[in-house]
Amino acid sequence: GQNIDQPTEMTATEGAIVQINCTYQTSGFNGLFWYQQHAGEAPTFLSYNVLDGLEEKGRFSSFLSRSKGYSYLLLKELQMKDSASYLCAVRDSNYQLIWGAGTKLIIKP
Amino acid sequence: IAGITQAPTSQILAAGRRMTLRCTQDMRHNAMYWYRQDLGLGLRLIHYSNTAGTTGKGEVPDGYSVSRANTDDFPLTLASAVPSQTSVYFCASSEGEGSYNEQFFGPGTRLTVL
Repeated sequence: GQNIDQPTEMTATEGAIVQINCTYQTSGFNGLFWYQQHAGEAPTFLSYNVLDGLEEKGRFSSFLSRSKGYSYLLLKELQMKDSASYLCAVRDSNYQLIWGAGTKLIIKP
Repeated sequence: IAGITQAPTSQILAAGRRMTLRCTQDMRHNAMYWYRQDLGLGLRLIHYSNTAGTTGKGEVPDGYSVSRANTDDFPLTLASAVPSQTSVYFCASSEGEGSYNEQFFGPGTRLTVL
């Protein structure tokens, strides 16, 4: 079967750095996405990786290792507004997105 | 309209009733999707449409039907609602089914079936 694993919850301090991991086992691979979802709101796109390596976008970076079935999202200079759930999703061989359950990130002052 | 709209925002429904959730996008995207989101679970695909006039089944299609008469609209119908269909429903769209294309989400419909 297809599986995406992420930690359920993480806590970090304002101004710090946090890394959210995602491991996947899917039938085929056509890219990995990270989305942010604030409580009660819709998911919004953060990043996309299809090749191995690091993609940087301001305070957010995402890394992919296809051979290890592994990705992480790195958030720097954490702000209170970064408190949200972070969803990892993999596009499979049918070009459908398979979603992890999400990691709830709690930022403390 | 900018982006994707969904209606209603929330609904309480008696079991056995028929219900249609509406979704409209103004981005001229070819592909549209319906997901449900339940606590502790990832988003699960119910149905999708890669282009107007075509639809396909996702991971959890039972009890749901869709139609795609035009590019903009993608309604989801529950023919006879059951309590296990209590969930938050998100409609999404993307330019196409291609690898890079990110999905844009509507604000969601919170449905409670009693």
